[in-house]
Amino acid sequence: DTGVSQDPRHKITKRGQNVTFRCDPISEHNRLYWYRQTLGQGPEFLTYFQNEAQLEKSRLLSDRFSAERPKGSFSTLEIQRTEQGDSAMYLCASSPGVEETQYFGPGTRLLVL
Amino acid sequence: QQPVQSPQAVILREGEDAVINCSSSKALYSVHWYRQKHGEAPVFLMILLKGGEQKGHEKISASFNEKKQQSSLYLTASQLSYSGTYFCGTDLGFAYSGAGSYQLTFGKGTKLSVIP
Repeated sequence: DTGVSQDPRHKITKRGQNVTFRCDPISEHNRLYWYRQTLGQGPEFLTYFQNEAQLEKSRLLSDRFSAERPKGSFSTLEIQRTEQGDSAMYLCASSPGVEETQYFGPGTRLLVL
Repeated sequence: QQPVQSPQAVILREGEDAVINCSSSKALYSVHWYRQKHGEAPVFLMILLKGGEQKGHEKISASFNEKKQQSSLYLTASQLSYSGTYFCGTDLGFAYSGAGSYQLTFGKGTKLSVIP
């Protein structure tokens, strides 16, 4: 499978715990995006990397959220001190440098109890 | 600024046609269309760049009216496999360069149900 992969696919955690998600983009895609999607809504932009540089971050994104892409390949999204409102599907997408099309991964569904 | 999609939901019988609209209050660089089935990731359908071009993909096509800041997705002779939620994502682009910003804002989606 040469698509975008995400791990884990599902995560249940207790409020206050930290969680980390991983995204492996399509090989040679230099752009990587994180989105959050709640029921009945479209994906909401969180942050975006070009290679290892984090170029954009949503102003609505809490300081509890941090993302990295250390070698310009895979990326991790960490949520510290999770809250029930963080429960959502977290989607990762990647795109090549020469076009805008974003290809989404299957997502990580987070449930905070 | 989140684009507005209409209708919110539509039910079609196989073979019928549908139009889904996406409107923005701001000038757009590009419009992206995706289809998402329940519990799955959004799947890319097509992208339209400013210039008012129309694109086609089998029986699914789309147009982009740059002046009206609107895009429409046309589904003809619908099939059961077309069922899902359709999202438009808009890129406002960078005002200073006119290039794409690569940051998409998605609408709330249009739920399409195709029944036999």
